[in-house]
Amino acid sequence: DIQMTQSPSSLSASVGDRVTITCRASQSISRYLNWYQQKPGKAPKVLIYVASNLQVGVPSRFSGSGSGTDFTLTISNLQPEDFATYYCQQSYTTPLYTFGQGTKLEIK
Amino acid sequence: QVQLQESGPGLVKPSQTLSLTCTVSGGSISSGYYYWSWIRQPAGKGLEYIGRFYSTGSTDYNPSLKSRVTISADVSKNQFSLTVTSVTAADTAVYYCARENRAQTYFEDWGQGTLVTVSS
Repeated sequence: DIQMTQSPSSLSASVGDRVTITCRASQSISRYLNWYQQKPGKAPKVLIYVASNLQVGVPSRFSGSGSGTDFTLTISNLQPEDFATYYCQQSYTTPLYTFGQGTKLEIK
Repeated sequence: QVQLQESGPGLVKPSQTLSLTCTVSGGSISSGYYYWSWIRQPAGKGLEYIGRFYSTGSTDYNPSLKSRVTISADVSKNQFSLTVTSVTAADTAVYYCARENRAQTYFEDWGQGTLVTVSS
C-alpha cells in the first residue's frame, strides 16, 4: 500500500496569513494527488485534483503543486471559512486509494 | 447539480451485517463518466476508501475489506448499496457515498454521511 504522510498534523494561523501543507507519498504517484477540505460534521469537499487543478468554484487563494512523492497545498490570504481539516489522497493505485491522516488548521 | 444521500440503520449488532443505500439525484449512475464509491471515517480519524461500482456492473474493493464487502446497484431506482458482513466495533464510522470522476480520479461529489455504530 502507498502511505500518505501529511505535515504538519496541525497548525495555527491568522486571517490573512499564507500557509502551506505538505503531503508525502511512500512511493512515486506521478501527479495523482488530490486535496480535500473537511469542516466539522460535514463531508469532505475537493479543492485540488491531479496535483494542481483547481476545482470549479474553489477560490483562487488555494493552489497545489508537486509530483512524484512530494506535494504541497498552499492557501494564500487565509479567510475565516478556511479553518478546517485538510486531507490529501492518492489516486495512483486504483482501487486502493489512500488518504493522508489530515492537517487541522486552527485560528491563532 | 448531483446530490447523493445515504440511508440505513444507525445501529448494528456485532457479527451482523451492515447495509446502506445511496440515492442519487440530478445524475444517473448509468453514466460512464463516473464511479460510484463508498468511503468511511471513524470518529476523529481519517478517511478509508471502501470500494466502488461502475455502470458496466463491475466493482472494485479495498483489499483490506474485500472479504466482507459487497457493493451493488439498482439502476431503476438510481441507487447503489453497501453491505459489510461480520461487523465489529472497528466498523463504527461515518459512511459516505461519493461520485468519482473517472477521467481525473477524484471524488467530485459526496453525500452528507451517515453514522453507523456497531454495538450490542
